[in-house]
Amino acid sequence: GAVVSQHPSWVICKSGTSVKIECRSLDFQATTMFWYRQFPKQSLMLMATSNEGSKATYEQGVEKDKFLINHASLTLSTLTVTSAHPEDSSFYICSARDQLLSTDTQYFGPGTRLTVL
Amino acid sequence: LAKTTQPISMDSYEGQEVNITCSHNNIATNDYITWYQQFPSQGPRFIIQGYKTKVTNEVASLFIPADRKSSTLSLPRVSLSDTAVYYCLVGTTIYNQGGKLIFGQGTELSVKP
Repeated sequence: GAVVSQHPSWVICKSGTSVKIECRSLDFQATTMFWYRQFPKQSLMLMATSNEGSKATYEQGVEKDKFLINHASLTLSTLTVTSAHPEDSSFYICSARDQLLSTDTQYFGPGTRLTVL
Repeated sequence: LAKTTQPISMDSYEGQEVNITCSHNNIATNDYITWYQQFPSQGPRFIIQGYKTKVTNEVASLFIPADRKSSTLSLPRVSLSDTAVYYCLVGTTIYNQGGKLIFGQGTELSVKP
């Protein structure tokens, strides 16, 4: 149980285009999902909290107009990187919060490698 | 959110027991302690979670002293495949506080033959 998937696993795009990344909780409902990005040899950096049916909450320094988050259902959140540039190249990871568990555990997706040319 | 501090790196040999200690002096009453393992180019994998005393599962044990200001992840008889980065996180379970986790630097464990 507690499986989170991401699609695509990797994507290469041209500068100026937009890329959408999907995050799904496969066997549980997640009213809250989180988006992180990770640069090589660094830790995960929380970008935003995605709440089902409401606007996402962004961490300080993360541009909400550049990283659009939609959480339309209890099992799906999407992150769209708009007008991507080479500096947006990174490893993007989502997590889903299983609140039915008494310990409220977060489970992570396998990540999406974004390369912007 | 409570800040965590871990050793940056640790070395071990196959078959040994590895103990990674994490300090979280500002842990709050409602906070749980969770450990994750991450391999390169993969998302973090949940290892173990606890609130106090000792928790054991098929993968690891987690020791938490009474004051909860630190915790120790114990990996019995490590193998080469345990080479990874291990993160200790403290997060609240209170719904209206968001449940977000802030990752520290983690501990890079290197297991040698």
